[in-house]
Amino acid sequence: GDSVTQMEGPVTLSEEACLTINCTYTATGYPSLFWYVQYPGEGLQLLLKATKADDKGSNKGFEATYRKETTSFHLEKGSVQVSDSAVYFCALSSNTGNQFYFGTGTSLTVIP
Amino acid sequence: DTEVTQTPKHLVMGMTNKKSLKCEQHMGHRAMYWYKQKAKKPPELMFVYSYEKLSINESVPSRFSPECPNSSLLNLHLHALQPEDSALYLCASSQDRNGRVSEQYFGPGTRLTVT
Repeated sequence: GDSVTQMEGPVTLSEEACLTINCTYTATGYPSLFWYVQYPGEGLQLLLKATKADDKGSNKGFEATYRKETTSFHLEKGSVQVSDSAVYFCALSSNTGNQFYFGTGTSLTVIP
Repeated sequence: DTEVTQTPKHLVMGMTNKKSLKCEQHMGHRAMYWYKQKAKKPPELMFVYSYEKLSINESVPSRFSPECPNSSLLNLHLHALQPEDSALYLCASSQDRNGRVSEQYFGPGTRLTVT
């Protein structure tokens, strides 16, 4: 079945460091892919999305490219800030039904 | 407006109480979801309503009872819960495009503690 595998955390970075959180997926057909962010004590917020191969989603300095050849959707940011400290979830929307799959989440802490 | 609202924000209840969680969206979405989230874990799907009909029930115990009074509202009725049911309960909504789920929009959640 469809699934998402996400890089284990936690990840601790210094402010202004580069971030990459790996996400790979298994799916039949052509799923849509998403990154969500959850700040402490809050719900999940949609960070970015991509609906077809080679699409690049971007928001708030974060980017991720839908790569069908490597079945990946890695999240990147060139310079992280303390305010980026949160848990990041990769997610997949199957095109074979009304299903949505989350990765296990990666906790990011950015220190000044 | 991409807002999903949930009430209450926090709830403490005993194992014999009956309470309800409420969720509302005004984005015209026709799919609504309840998730349970434990600390440091991803959300676990509980129920899906599509066009106000229950389409998915992920083998959730009967002490959780969902209700969708109309296309904007979703309730979760709670009765005789156990301490292990303490968690963050998240509501979400999405467009349902020809049976395919688009991005989901989440509410802030209800932090439930069962004593």
